[in-house]
Amino acid sequence: DVKVTQSSRYLVKRTGEKVFLECVQDMDHENMFWYRQDPGLGLRLIYFSYDVKMKEKGDIPEGYSVSREKKERFSLILESASTNQTSMYLCASRTRTLGTQYFGPGTRLLVL
Amino acid sequence: GQQLNQSPQSMFIQEGEDVSMNCTSSSIFNTWLWYKQDPGEGPVLLIALYKAGELTSNGRLTAQFGITRKDSFLNISASIPSDVGIYFCAGQLHLGGATNKLIFGTGTLLAVQP
Repeated sequence: DVKVTQSSRYLVKRTGEKVFLECVQDMDHENMFWYRQDPGLGLRLIYFSYDVKMKEKGDIPEGYSVSREKKERFSLILESASTNQTSMYLCASRTRTLGTQYFGPGTRLLVL
Repeated sequence: GQQLNQSPQSMFIQEGEDVSMNCTSSSIFNTWLWYKQDPGEGPVLLIALYKAGELTSNGRLTAQFGITRKDSFLNISASIPSDVGIYFCAGQLHLGGATNKLIFGTGTLLAVQP
């Protein structure tokens, strides 16, 4: 079974803090993704990575950065957290060839 | 970003009833995926479809890849209370590159009354 894990299920941070969200997958997938999910707005792609050290901006990259130093790990960084970044963050991975995408359990982030 | 048209938006049914939902797109896709999301959890992949006309089952779930490649259907037979959740479709067009993104449906909220 594909397993995508996220470092935290719940996080509470203060405005201005630097926040790291970690995602690990164990299926040797080339592609990894970060989304945020908000009521009424659906899933929105923040960043994705199609290979180690590669990254591409998604639909809403502002206020975020990412890091992919190893194939299995994809990190999302909020350089200076703001209240409008309170959301559910979902990591996903998939093989390059088949396209079947698997999600992690999500991190619910609250920025006060 | 772009979203697929998914209907219905919500369904409230009795346990034991069958359920149908569908997604349509103005674009053609090479892959259709169906996910279920429980409250506070990440989406879980239910069924993956890779070929136009393909009909695939997973237990009480059956999904079809429309022959026009612009739509897909998910049916749940004999619903049970644990079927409650939000169901999403997602489509992907393979352009031969590594950076193809999924386009997601707007979701169908399913409530099942025991």
